[in-house]
Amino acid sequence: SQKIEQNSEALNIQEGKTATLTCNYTNYSPAYLQWYRQDPGRGPVFLLLIRENEKEKRKERLKVTFDTTLKQSLFHITASQPADSATYLCALEVGNEKLTFGTGTRLTIIP
Amino acid sequence: KAGVTQTPRYLIKTRGQQVTLSCSPISGHRSVSWYQQTPGQGLQFLFEYFSETQRNKGNFPGRFSGRQFSNSRSEMNVSTLELGDSALYLCASSWGGSGAGETQYFGPGTRLLVL
Repeated sequence: SQKIEQNSEALNIQEGKTATLTCNYTNYSPAYLQWYRQDPGRGPVFLLLIRENEKEKRKERLKVTFDTTLKQSLFHITASQPADSATYLCALEVGNEKLTFGTGTRLTIIP
Repeated sequence: KAGVTQTPRYLIKTRGQQVTLSCSPISGHRSVSWYQQTPGQGLQFLFEYFSETQRNKGNFPGRFSGRQFSNSRSEMNVSTLELGDSALYLCASSWGGSGAGETQYFGPGTRLLVL
């Protein structure tokens, strides 16, 4: 069956360090992979999209990598801040299928 | 541009009742998708509507239904509510919808509690 795993349910990182979140998938050949941020009681907010033919994408302190051989995406937040504390979701899009979300990683940046 | 709005924000119902939730997408967006979010299952896709037609459907029972109007506003209905239907229901809009590599813009959600 198709599966998306975000390997840490919760991750605690010291302020100023780089937070790295992992998204692994099986049985997909996604055309796109997206990362979203969700704060408690709110809907997810789009952060970055990376295409299957792209290896890396950056936006300010955020970086996403996409390895279609390993079937893995890494999401990095550099110089992390307490305001980065949230749940981060990866989502895959395959052809004209629905966007499928992982279960999320709850990131806490410790001052 | 106004964001995605959902009404009501909070709802308490009892088992066996039915409920209708509403979603107004961002102006110009033609696709509306609905998701159910629970602590145990995460974000699960319910269905997507594009130009008033259901384009994709998730693995939910027939008690869950939806529709989209000509102005792209969408409603979802859950009949014969069960305790397990307690969740945050999120809608998301985009211009082209699934398969287009587009950003999904989410609303704040409707928190449904079934007693």
